Amino acid sequence: DAGVIQSPRHEVTEMGQEVTLRCKPISGHDYLFWYRQTMMRGLELLIYFNNNVPIDDSGMPEDRFSAKMPNASFSTLKIQPSEPRDSAVYFCASSQNRDRGRLTEAFFGQGTRLTVV
Amino acid sequence: AQSVTQLGSHVSVSEGALVLLRCNYSSSVPPYLFWYVQYPNQGLQLLLKYTSAATLVKGINGFEAEFKKSETSFHLTKPSAHMSDAAEYFCAVSDHGFQKLVFGTGTRLLVSP
Repeated sequence: DAGVIQSPRHEVTEMGQEVTLRCKPISGHDYLFWYRQTMMRGLELLIYFNNNVPIDDSGMPEDRFSAKMPNASFSTLKIQPSEPRDSAVYFCASSQNRDRGRLTEAFFGQGTRLTVV
Repeated sequence: AQSVTQLGSHVSVSEGALVLLRCNYSSSVPPYLFWYVQYPNQGLQLLLKYTSAATLVKGINGFEAEFKKSETSFHLTKPSAHMSDAAEYFCAVSDHGFQKLVFGTGTRLLVSP
């Protein structure tokens, strides 16, 4: 398997523009996670899905952020309008491994480095 | 809520020296614990995991970690550092009933010749 695939790897956009980040999870995985990484705040869980359904979006910072998972092989994270403080590396991860309800491993993509100027 | 605390944002060692990266957890029940490594401009890769079997867990690249319930710790060690070990290391926890990983703030390991 090619692993979790994210696109684009790098995105530079102007403040106010819409940004869409894409993720293809590992085939057969039923959980998908979106994380954001910054120097100041470290790794933050934004939202996660189970069987394409959003389970917990309490980490989504503002209404400007939205995420969808229209099918088992694709998810998007959208920021509209974007702001300079959204600049970060965004990671997608997927998992199918459970033991008595607890996550036992997550596989990460290479990330998308977003710069909003 | 479950959480992990990583002591030291940066750790510096010489090549060949012992590596010790510290992680303490907070959980109401025995958790599952993980160490991930992140190389520059890459995603996170699983080093090792504790899922309530043996308390001493061996991972990739010669790393190991020991779960100590009495100390609520899960420190990562490697007997002899290599230059290629220079990276950022994250401790994470998956608690009972929580279907997600919660990460610590990370420790950057610097290895000097």
